[in-house]
Amino acid sequence: GQQVMQIPQYQHVQEGEDFTTYCNSSTTLSNIQWYKQRPGGHPVFLIQLVKSGEVKKQKRLTFQFGEAKKNSSLHITATQTTDVGTYFCAGRKSNDYKLSFGAGTTVTVRA
Amino acid sequence: NAGVTQTPKFQVLKTGQSMTLQCAQDMNHNSMYWYRQDPGMGLRLIYYSASEGTTDKGEVPNGYNVSRLNKREFSLRLESAAPSQTSVYFCASEGGAGNTEAFFGQGTRLTVV
Repeated sequence: GQQVMQIPQYQHVQEGEDFTTYCNSSTTLSNIQWYKQRPGGHPVFLIQLVKSGEVKKQKRLTFQFGEAKKNSSLHITATQTTDVGTYFCAGRKSNDYKLSFGAGTTVTVRA
Repeated sequence: NAGVTQTPKFQVLKTGQSMTLQCAQDMNHNSMYWYRQDPGMGLRLIYYSASEGTTDKGEVPNGYNVSRLNKREFSLRLESAAPSQTSVYFCASEGGAGNTEAFFGQGTRLTVV
């Protein structure tokens, strides 16, 4: 099965509210990446986290990598309709370069 | 600079037919991937190629074969299509140092009837 688990599968958000999606791995990851896929589109890279405890921000998006490098989160503040889509995390084990994706969180926004 | 190009974009097959999905990248990347995307399942890795001439199985390789004959191209073959292979297929490539972003093609929507 997939080595990276992601929750929730669906997130219905009122415009202007905040939400968080979580990514968990049973094994230590060398790094974790986040991608966004718009409806009908293909995944597009957002960011990569490498260091234990790392936090990165992109405007209203905040990404965190856990201290044990086994989990990560994406927090979006003041959700906008442009945030609609599916957000994937993707991780690599320390001894394996293959990129494994989580199942994704599909976000819909109520105006 | 086209990035990752997949062909075809859409395909309908009858059960038992064979076909090859083509993927080419022009970014001089070492690593290439084939994923399938099904509702609620995310992106599942079918096959992976770390470099020209090498391939590795991913999570769901059964029913598929791949070929990496050169650095640019990574093809996915279905020898005898089954309805369970109805899916959206994505090819991706990355530099291959283990810490680079992946670039995806536009996807192939395959229906097996």
